[in-house]
Amino acid sequence: EDQVTQSPEALRLQEGESSSLNCSYTVSGLRGLFWYRQDPGKGPEFLFTLYSAGEEKEKERLKATLTKKESFLHITAPKPEDSATYLCAVQAGNDYKLSFGAGTTVTVRA
Amino acid sequence: NAGVTQTPKFRILKIGQSMTLQCTQDMNHNYMYWYRQDPGMGLKLIYYSVGAGITDKGEVPNGYNVSRSTTEDFPLRLELAAPSQTSVYFCASSRRNSGAFFGQGTRLTVV
Repeated sequence: EDQVTQSPEALRLQEGESSSLNCSYTVSGLRGLFWYRQDPGKGPEFLFTLYSAGEEKEKERLKATLTKKESFLHITAPKPEDSATYLCAVQAGNDYKLSFGAGTTVTVRA
Repeated sequence: NAGVTQTPKFRILKIGQSMTLQCTQDMNHNYMYWYRQDPGMGLKLIYYSVGAGITDKGEVPNGYNVSRSTTEDFPLRLELAAPSQTSVYFCASSRRNSGAFFGQGTRLTVV
């Protein structure tokens, strides 16, 4: 069965203090790895898709990278509005179910 | 463009009652999903569908049923509601191998 593990569970940052979130996965035949942002009381918002090891995607202060075993979401010089829960999900094998990790809750203090 | 629309937004059910959570999308996506999210927890897949007429169980299907008669609609049916089904339910849709788009959720309380 697909396993997706995110760490740390929570991350408290000072504004401008860069950091990284980890998503490790154990799947057979990765089709895609997805990053989402979720604000309290809202549905997850799609950020990035990564398909193969070595791939990178960027959006504003966020950069996602992928290896054969894990993905990192790097937050560069974060601002308070980057505070959210960041979720990682994978699709693998011959079916199209989307399996999520438990998420990392990021709090950025001004 | 409305994206993924879920109704209702909130609902309180009594134990043993039944209800249907509605989900519709206007992006012509083949893939649709139902998740539940308990407080402080991640998303657990209930059911998913890869196209009209095709549905499959996820991790936590017990107590739920789905149907997919059209590309746009993917309703989730709760039969004989139990307190353990108190949760926030999210519907999502996607194209093949692409990121999924989520609705705003239905907050359900079973008392």
